[in-house]
Amino acid sequence: EVVLTQSPGSLSLSPGEGATLSCRASQTVRNGYLAWYQQRPGQAPRLLIYDASSRATGIPDKFSGSGSGADFTLTISRLEPEDCAVYYCQQYGTSPITFGQGTRLEIK
Amino acid sequence: QVQLLQSGPEVKKPGASIKVSCKTSGYNFSNYDITWVRQAPRQGLEWMGWISVDTGNRHYVQKLQGRITMTADTSTSTVYMELRSLRSDDTAIYYCTRNQRGHEWFDSWGQGVLVTVSS
Repeated sequence: EVVLTQSPGSLSLSPGEGATLSCRASQTVRNGYLAWYQQRPGQAPRLLIYDASSRATGIPDKFSGSGSGADFTLTISRLEPEDCAVYYCQQYGTSPITFGQGTRLEIK
Repeated sequence: QVQLLQSGPEVKKPGASIKVSCKTSGYNFSNYDITWVRQAPRQGLEWMGWISVDTGNRHYVQKLQGRITMTADTSTSTVYMELRSLRSDDTAIYYCTRNQRGHEWFDSWGQGVLVTVSS
């Protein structure tokens, strides 16, 4: 199976700053089939990005995805308190579908 | 609006079974597959498998094969996930999600069901 390794494990940033989250796959993600989710405390995950760089419906442009092959990035600009969450990447290019272990983002 | 409404929390003993429901609304039920994802306490997300609600085709993760069954009731737009021979490491929040066939990202999620397996 494709193992996704996210880094860093956690980060703490101030409002207004930007965040860069990484997701590295153990092999090429077929067709760039990679998604990103945000999970706030006590809530279900929310889709942010699919196909590596396409924003989901209703997602503000402060969230952007990039990457190809085995290396992908989620960039969050202009951080706000409500961005405090765990962010997961997911690959759907190869069965079984797998998720990364998550990056915890704290807003100071 | 799209809604996936799941049944309530469950507490079960090891060896028992659960059947969790996911009632959908706000979209054409037949146009989307339903996938189940679980999350153990303070852990990440684990894909469990999917069901194509119109054809009945299913695909389960290998580690759960033989213990899991997903079914769909098109008359009520509801999907069910049954897990048998429960173990303590099945303790988790179970989510149903939807995706368009061939596009396996999950744009809507149920609220999740906490299943606790404890003697």
